[in-house]
Amino acid sequence: GEDVEQSLFLSVREGDSSVINCTYTDSSSTYLYWYKQEPGAGLQLLTYIFSNMDMKQDQRLTVLLNKKDKHLSLRIADTQTGDSAIYFCAESNSGGYQKVTFGIGTKLQVIP
Amino acid sequence: DAMVIQNPRYQVTQFGKPVTLSCSQTLNHNVMYWYQQKSSQAPKLLFHYYDKDFNNEADTPDNFQSRRPNTSFCFLDIRSPGLGDAAMYLCATSKNLADYNEQFFGPGTRLTVL
Repeated sequence: GEDVEQSLFLSVREGDSSVINCTYTDSSSTYLYWYKQEPGAGLQLLTYIFSNMDMKQDQRLTVLLNKKDKHLSLRIADTQTGDSAIYFCAESNSGGYQKVTFGIGTKLQVIP
Repeated sequence: DAMVIQNPRYQVTQFGKPVTLSCSQTLNHNVMYWYQQKSSQAPKLLFHYYDKDFNNEADTPDNFQSRRPNTSFCFLDIRSPGLGDAAMYLCATSKNLADYNEQFFGPGTRLTVL
């Protein structure tokens, strides 16, 4: 079945860049997503990338996709304390029921 | 603001005592999902409704049932909770089932089983 893996924890200093990595196994993934979960809140879609793209930039966020290696990353430039949260990588595939498979989430801690 | 609401936020039940978790949405989305999330694990899909059509994941235990009486509400019933069912339960919605499947989540209900 589909599997999405990511590391549990990342700590960065305020103002530095953060890079959160994710690997997935489903070669038929069509969309890959990054969700953010702040304390006490639900998961919220942060950004996504279609599988025929290799990069997407949205203000401080850069998503890189290496489809050959099934590797996805999220770079947050100029990381702020408000970026402290859990970041979930997820993927969905086409055809039939487009189930979304989530990773375990990476907890980003931003040190002032 | 349109949103996904889950009640209660914290639920304590006794081993074997039936419990119901509720979810409501103001987004008028066709699809509603229930996920189980244990500590340091990925959210695990239990089932989803597309409108009134119920879809159970193959590995969801029979102990877990769901009801969707109307578009806005969806309930998760745990018939005989065991200690292993203690977890965060997340409700989510999406407009439709499509290749691009953005889901909107509620804050979750944390279930404790004594």
